[in-house]
Amino acid sequence: KAGVTQTPRYLIKTRGQQVTLSCSPISGHRSVSWYQQTPGQGLQFLFEYFSETQRNKGNFPGRFSGRQFSNSRSEMNVSTLELGDSALYLCASSLSSESTDTQYFGPGTRLTVL
Amino acid sequence: LAKTTQPISMDSYEGQEVNITCSHNNIATNDYITWYQQFPSQGPRFIIQGYKTKVTNEVASLFIPADRKSSTLSLPRVSLSDTAVYYCLAVTYNTDKLIFGTGTRLQVFP
Repeated sequence: KAGVTQTPRYLIKTRGQQVTLSCSPISGHRSVSWYQQTPGQGLQFLFEYFSETQRNKGNFPGRFSGRQFSNSRSEMNVSTLELGDSALYLCASSLSSESTDTQYFGPGTRLTVL
Repeated sequence: LAKTTQPISMDSYEGQEVNITCSHNNIATNDYITWYQQFPSQGPRFIIQGYKTKVTNEVASLFIPADRKSSTLSLPRVSLSDTAVYYCLAVTYNTDKLIFGTGTRLQVFP
C-alpha cells in the first residue's frame, strides 16, 4: 500500500507570494492533518480535515488555509508569504478522525521563503 | 491537553537497551500515551501507544505505571539506525490533533 505522498518536496518562494501544497493520503484514509515544523517552534498542528470538513484548527493566522476533496486528497494554501513561514510542512493521514488512530506522516514539503 | 516533558537528548551505544522517560503530571482520564520517531527531513513515524501497564510490539515496549503520571519507552538493543528524535504525546481521545513537545534526541554510537 502506498504511503502518504506530498508534492512538491521542495519549494522556494519570495515574500508576498502565495503557495499551495498538496497531500495524497493512504488509500482508504479519510482524515488528513497538516503540521508545520521549524527549528524554533518544533512540530505544530495546523488543521485537520475529515470528509471534506475542517474539524480542528491550530493557532495559525488566517493566511493559512486548507481544503479536502471528495477523494480525501488535501491541499494547504499559504497567502502573503513571510520569511517566518519557511518550514517543513507535514501532512498526516489516518483512517478516521479518532485521535487515537495512528497517524501516518508523509515526507513533507520543505518551503523556503526568501 | 496534557503537557509532556522528556529529556532533550540521550546517548547510547549499539546493542544497549534505551529507556526514555516522559513525564505527564496532568494527564487526563481519556488521554493515551503515544510515541513517535522522527528521522531528519522525514515525517514522524508511529512507534507505540498505550493507556496503562505495559504494551509491547515488534519495535518497542511502553511502560505506564498505575498513576499514569509518567511513562517509559524502552528500545531493546538499539542500532545506529535508531538515532532519531523521539516524541512522547498525550493524545486525548476524540480531540483530533497531536500536540508535539520538543522530543528527545537519541544518538546511538558504534
